[in-house]
Amino acid sequence: QSVLTQSPSVSAAPGQKVTISCSGSSSNIGSNYVSWYQQFRGTAPKLLIYDNNKRPSGIPDRFSGSKSGTSATLGITGLQTGDEADYYCGTWDPGLTSGNWVFGGGTKLTVL
Amino acid sequence: EVQLVESGGGLVQPGGSLKLSCAASGFTFSGSAMYWVRQASGKGLEWVGRIRTKPNSYATAYAASVTGRFTISRDDSKNMTFLQMNSLKTEDTAMYFCVRPGCGGDCLEYWGQGALGTVSS
Repeated sequence: QSVLTQSPSVSAAPGQKVTISCSGSSSNIGSNYVSWYQQFRGTAPKLLIYDNNKRPSGIPDRFSGSKSGTSATLGITGLQTGDEADYYCGTWDPGLTSGNWVFGGGTKLTVL
Repeated sequence: EVQLVESGGGLVQPGGSLKLSCAASGFTFSGSAMYWVRQASGKGLEWVGRIRTKPNSYATAYAASVTGRFTISRDDSKNMTFLQMNSLKTEDTAMYFCVRPGCGGDCLEYWGQGALGTVSS
C-alpha cells in the first residue's frame, strides 16, 4: 500500500487534457515539494515535474504541476499517443520512522 | 552527461545474498547523496534507502521493509555506490534503480537503467 494515493488509471483522446491527482498528508505533501515521474514500459522513470510545478529542461509545457494543501495534480494538455505511460508522484515524508521518500502507486495513462 | 549504470543483478535463493553496484559519471559523485529505488514487476516504485556524503558522515537510511537486511555503501574514489542485500525474500524480487537526487534534494533527478534481482528457489 503506497503512502501517497493516485487513481490507478486515466484515459482521454488525443488532443484532450487530463489531470492526475496525488493525495497525501500533512507530513509529506503538506510539508514538502512534490515531484512527478514518467515511466514508459520497460524503462527507468524520468523526472517530469519538480518543486510542485517546475519543468526540467526538455520537458514540454504541455506538462504542468500544482499543489494545494495535502494534494498535488499533474496536468497534461494536447495529449499525444506518445504520452501513454505510468505517472508517479513522489515527495519526502520525514515523519516515517525509517525511510524518507514516498511515492504514489502510479497512474496508467491511456490515450485512446 | 550524468550516467548511472547498475550491475550485479541475478538469481538467488531465498535467504541468500546479492550485491548490486552502481557506477556514476558526469557529476561530482562525492558531493551527492545517492539513493536506491526498486520496482517489482507490474508494481509501483518503492524507495529502498540512501547514503549521504562524507561531510554528512555517510549517513544511511532505509525503508522499513529492508532495514536490518540491506546495506548501502559508497566508494567515492571509484565513483560507485553499492547495495548489499542479505536474507533475501521472494518479495525482494524487483528491478533496482540507482538514483541521484537533485533539486536541492527535493527530487529524484537522474535514474540508472536498473538491475534485476530475482529471489526464487
